[in-house]
Amino acid sequence: AQTVTQSQPEMSVQEAETVTLSCTYDTSESDYYLFWYKQPPSRQMILVIRQEAYKQQNATENRFSVNFQKAAKSFSLKISDSQLGDAAMYFCAYRLNSGGSNYKLTFGKGTLLTVNP
Amino acid sequence: DGGITQSPKYLFRKEGQNVTLSCEQNLNHDAMYWYRQDPGQGLRLIYYSQIVNDFQKGDIAEGYSVSREKKESFPLTVTSAQKNPTAFYLCASKLREAGANVLTFGAGSRLTVL
Repeated sequence: AQTVTQSQPEMSVQEAETVTLSCTYDTSESDYYLFWYKQPPSRQMILVIRQEAYKQQNATENRFSVNFQKAAKSFSLKISDSQLGDAAMYFCAYRLNSGGSNYKLTFGKGTLLTVNP
Repeated sequence: DGGITQSPKYLFRKEGQNVTLSCEQNLNHDAMYWYRQDPGQGLRLIYYSQIVNDFQKGDIAEGYSVSREKKESFPLTVTSAQKNPTAFYLCASKLREAGANVLTFGAGSRLTVL
């Protein structure tokens, strides 16, 4: 079974600085997707960024970027120029991309990010 | 605006009572999901449905039931058999075809058993 591990239950960063959230996963598959979701205090889950496993180039969305290391099964999220609105719980997630398994998103336990002014 | 509506936002239940959480989407999405969120546990899949009149158990289906009579609706019933139902419940949906891999989430329902 696929598992997703976020080893940092909590992280903090100063406003305007950079922070990296870690995520590792376990799979024997080669075709899959990885995601980072953000859950602010409103508890609305918001997609931050996604990565397709067969693409070597790391995904980037404005201040958010990932470091995808397929061989190491690592998928870290870097937030640059951190803003107060980035404070949230961040979840790493994995989804297999094949046939009937095109359904299940497996989540890590989350990292709570605090942004200090 | 298209989206997913979950209701009620907060729900209190006495032990031994069944309760139903509503999830409605107007995104024309085929697949719908229910997740349970507990502190320190991340999100765990309860049930999912890829088409109308069909659904499958997720990782923690015991004590829950669902129906999918309409494409836009996927209600979740928390039965009295669920031993620890107090949690935050999230409904999500997506298009079914391959490549449509992004889940859209509702705002969630908080269930508390008194």
